[in-house]
Amino acid sequence: EPEVTQTPSHQVTQMGQEVILRCVPISNHLYFYWYRQILGQKVEFLVSFYNNEISEKSEIFDDQFSVERPDGSNFTLKIRSTKLEDSAMYFCASKPKYPGRSTDTQYFGPGTRLTVL
Amino acid sequence: GENVEQHPSTLSVQEGDSAVIKCTYSDSASNYFPWYKQELGKRPQLIIDIRSNVGEKKDQRIAVTLNKTAKHFSLHITETQPEDSAVYFCAASRGSSYKLIFGSGTRLLVRP
Repeated sequence: EPEVTQTPSHQVTQMGQEVILRCVPISNHLYFYWYRQILGQKVEFLVSFYNNEISEKSEIFDDQFSVERPDGSNFTLKIRSTKLEDSAMYFCASKPKYPGRSTDTQYFGPGTRLTVL
Repeated sequence: GENVEQHPSTLSVQEGDSAVIKCTYSDSASNYFPWYKQELGKRPQLIIDIRSNVGEKKDQRIAVTLNKTAKHFSLHITETQPEDSAVYFCAASRGSSYKLIFGSGTRLLVRP
């Protein structure tokens, strides 16, 4: 069964550095999402992406964040200047779109644990 | 604003007993309600979902009920097993391309 994949599994960076988190959604999916989960807390929405543009973003997703789909398979989240409070698990998710049939199920990747020192 | 409240935060049951987790949502436009199971250090895995045109859905030992009037939905696990031990998250969405709003999670422990 196809799965969403993410790399790296763990990223350690210094405060102020840029990081890029990478995701490969399931191949026939058209909706893409980033969520984050601070240790011990709930999963929080960051951004959704469809048709090569952001469709919705949360208050967390400020100017330090950006997303990109550089080719037909990858979906990336960039944090330009990391802060200590950006330390979290970042999950990518994707959702299919079938002609004439709606589906709402989002499939999550394994996550990237970002540690900002 | 959009919010999902989830109770209890922790739940400990004896193997074979039932477990019930409850969620309340605030956005009346929500029409899709999934439940995810997350084991330690792993991705959230969808275990069951329900849409607003259905009041109840069952899949083997797992069932979900929805009360749209009260904006409540619940997860019921019967005949619990130790492997059911995990954190369970409810979520709500307006469907289509919309985001998932997650509850705060319930840590379920099934004692052998």
